[in-house]
Amino acid sequence: GQQVMQIPQYQHVQEGEDFTTYCNSSTTLSNIQWYKQRPGGHPVFLIQLVKSGEVKKQKRLTFQFGEAKKNSSLHITATQTTDVGTYFCACGGTSYGKLTFGQGTILTVHP
Amino acid sequence: NAGVTQTPKFRVLKTGQSMTLLCAQDMNHEYMYWYRQDPGMGLRLIHYSVGEGTTAKGEVPDGYNVSRLKKQNFLLGLESAAPSQTSVYFCASGLGTSGRTDTQYFGPGTRLTVL
Repeated sequence: GQQVMQIPQYQHVQEGEDFTTYCNSSTTLSNIQWYKQRPGGHPVFLIQLVKSGEVKKQKRLTFQFGEAKKNSSLHITATQTTDVGTYFCACGGTSYGKLTFGQGTILTVHP
Repeated sequence: NAGVTQTPKFRVLKTGQSMTLLCAQDMNHEYMYWYRQDPGMGLRLIHYSVGEGTTAKGEVPDGYNVSRLKKQNFLLGLESAAPSQTSVYFCASGLGTSGRTDTQYFGPGTRLTVL
């Protein structure tokens, strides 16, 4: 089945620094979703990317889908303490809406 | 709307005991999923259901059973708990729109410890 590798596993930043997490696959993906999980919380949907080369922005968050649809990234500009948590990518497009999740990137923001 | 709810929130079992985790959703979603989350391993799909009365195996189904007798409920059972099943369990639901990937809506999770 489809697999996605997510790097880095951990990222510690000072408040105000930028942050990027990457999601890579050896196969072409139909689409990719990003979720955020706050400490002690549950995953919450952020966005879905479908088109080759697609770029979407949500305030300080920028999501990209690679031209070959084999990789994706999430970039946060000027991190804030509210950005702490684990960010997951998940690839879909399989039957019955099933998703395969990456291992996640745990973001810590130091004030 | 409560969204997706899970009971219980926490549970401690002894090896060999059984238990059932309940997931309920009030969004009229067709698809429901059970995941387990372990450190460094992301979310792994245990079982899923594409409608009332249907269930199917996911990535890590061994040691678990499920039932979906009502559209709004999805039960996860552990017949004989093992320490390897210590984990956080999340239920999720999705609309079930044909031909595209659905957003999944997650419940708050159940933290299970098996001693």
